[in-house]
Amino acid sequence: DGGITQSPKYLFRKEGQNVTLSCEQNLNHDAMYWYRQDPGQGLRLIYYSQIVNDFQKGDIAEGYSVSREKKESFPLTVTSAQKNPTAFYLCASNPPSRRSTPIDEQFFGPGTRLTVL
Amino acid sequence: DAKTTQPNSMESNEEEPVHLPCNHSTISGTDYIHWYRQLPSQGPEYVIHGLTSNVNNRMASLAIAEDRKSSTLILHRATLRDAAVYYCILRGYSGGGADGLTFGKGTHLIIQP
Repeated sequence: DGGITQSPKYLFRKEGQNVTLSCEQNLNHDAMYWYRQDPGQGLRLIYYSQIVNDFQKGDIAEGYSVSREKKESFPLTVTSAQKNPTAFYLCASNPPSRRSTPIDEQFFGPGTRLTVL
Repeated sequence: DAKTTQPNSMESNEEEPVHLPCNHSTISGTDYIHWYRQLPSQGPEYVIHGLTSNVNNRMASLAIAEDRKSSTLILHRATLRDAAVYYCILRGYSGGGADGLTFGKGTHLIIQP
């Protein structure tokens, strides 16, 4: 089955440690995204990548870093510079938009809940 | 992306229709109206999208006002599994690539058995 996998589902880290969240997709999508969700809030965009070896900052990129070395993978590193890292992190992918059709739907992974102690 | 306004929560009974409103008075001519829903502790899932005409799919219907300043997501016969947060999102057409989605707080739909 095609889809997006995120691991682990729950992650605990001590304050001051960097941590990397995994996101893998086998949908052959070019575009991938990372969002953060805090309790009772909507999702906010951290970083996105429209093609391999290229990525752009979203609305809340400070304290995060990403890489896109392979089409299938888009890992997110939460660095010690992120002041409030405890949150629910969601990865998504999206086919590239085509000039003659509307923007396609985004497909989301199951999420990783990060708790920093 | 333009802003949308939705009620914080709505309640409905099982097996009855549900109408979820969304206001988007600043919508531009090329913005598409998308709806996603998020079940507890899961990632959002796509529900439906439209531009000007009403749309139907296996999950729901989307009714778009003639001036496009508002829209309504219709669940024809709600079940307990439809209890979720529903997000109304405007997405501009970008020929060069796919930007991220802008989520508001959405509407928390409660279904009573």
